[in-house]
Amino acid sequence: NAGVTQTPKFRILKIGQSMTLQCTQDMNHNYMYWYRQDPGMGLKLIYYSVGAGITDKGEVPNGYNVSRSTTEDFPLRLELAAPSQTSVYFCASNERARNYGYTFGSGTRLTVV
Amino acid sequence: LAKTTQPISMDSYEGQEVNITCSHNNIATNDYITWYQQFPSQGPRFIIQGYKTKVTNEVASLFIPADRKSSTLSLPRVSLSDTAVYYCLVGDINNNDMRFGAGTRLTVKP
Repeated sequence: NAGVTQTPKFRILKIGQSMTLQCTQDMNHNYMYWYRQDPGMGLKLIYYSVGAGITDKGEVPNGYNVSRSTTEDFPLRLELAAPSQTSVYFCASNERARNYGYTFGSGTRLTVV
Repeated sequence: LAKTTQPISMDSYEGQEVNITCSHNNIATNDYITWYQQFPSQGPRFIIQGYKTKVTNEVASLFIPADRKSSTLSLPRVSLSDTAVYYCLVGDINNNDMRFGAGTRLTVKP
């Protein structure tokens, strides 16, 4: 069971470039989330989804977009990369009925230069 | 959302029991308390969750007093591999906006 898989693991972008961070889970979880973590800080919620076709903003959504066309996939899109988006991005999922907390991916380290 | 307060850092030695306390004075009736562990360059990992009294699993124990305004994560006989950041989260499990604070950086020394 792979859990939550994120790709790529590392990426360097130039200012103004765009990219998509991929997130896939194989646990059939309805709920999926994107967080960012700046150095020495806690995680901040960017976007979340409660099921295919449904997404909503979190604490820090500006500069990002998401889509949820399937239960398994929840990609995060950066349209015009800025240095302030340099961070580690984590995708997570959970199944509310089990109350076992979130399962996180291993993260994508993004540097915008 | 309930605000949580944890110590920024703690030191311990191998074999000792470590207790990390989290304060959450404005916890709501529907809120649960959840602890995560994060190693460098990894995503957080769920440790334990509770609502009241005591919860124990193979990794840790969680103690919650009757007023629920604080909670204590107890790690028995820590090893070097328990060096990590530990996060306390308080919120309704049906709330999609679970927020992580800065956490407690635990360093276990030999």
